Amino acid sequence: ETGVTQTPRHLVMGMTNKKSLKCEQHLGHNAMYWYKQSAKKPLELMFVYSLEERVENNSVPSRFSPECPNSSHLFLHLHTLQPEDSALYLCASSQAFLIGTTHTEAFFGQGTRLTVV
Amino acid sequence: AQKVTQAQTEISVVEKEDVTLDCVYETRDTTYYLFWYKQPPSGELVFLIRRNSFDEQNEISGRYSWNFQKSTSSFNFTITASQVVDSAVYFCALSPQGGSEKLVFGKGTKLTVNP
Repeated sequence: ETGVTQTPRHLVMGMTNKKSLKCEQHLGHNAMYWYKQSAKKPLELMFVYSLEERVENNSVPSRFSPECPNSSHLFLHLHTLQPEDSALYLCASSQAFLIGTTHTEAFFGQGTRLTVV
Repeated sequence: AQKVTQAQTEISVVEKEDVTLDCVYETRDTTYYLFWYKQPPSGELVFLIRRNSFDEQNEISGRYSWNFQKSTSSFNFTITASQVVDSAVYFCALSPQGGSEKLVFGKGTKLTVNP
């Protein structure tokens, strides 16, 4: 099993569809993240869950809805998306930054390539 | 506000050449952490290094080396004797704390190593 697994790898959806992206980590981490990677833009942090609580929500439109049922799983629910939402969506996990934690680097999945038509 | 600038959008070299990827950052924090990640064509970002602002020692790991200069707010990455497998997009990132919860990434530098 690879460290961070994302499904599906590719997704094409219409603007009226509802779909979900899934992320699973097998690294024993307690923080998980969603990033959006668009062409010619920096990686944009969308959501952060640390110790199963959402700690960061960077002004992401409500058509993106995250869910973290436990420390190993993270979902991104999508509905009524726009064509400009087409991008690579990356999930990552890490140890949460707590006093005494040393290795807190993030490990990434391979991403879901989303196309909104 | 935190900001990371990778001025080189794309670099192309021939195998065995040395190449340096530039990273300049902005922060008002006195404690911060810098990272480099590699993104091969498969998509996932691969962690390469994390340095804290109190440790300005240069680091070498095989063909990779990093030069942290606090005076110029730079954290440059050099690949010695580049190989085709080094072809990827490389991201520099900054965090105001040791964790990954508030990582700010640069736009990345696409490195192509030609045989």
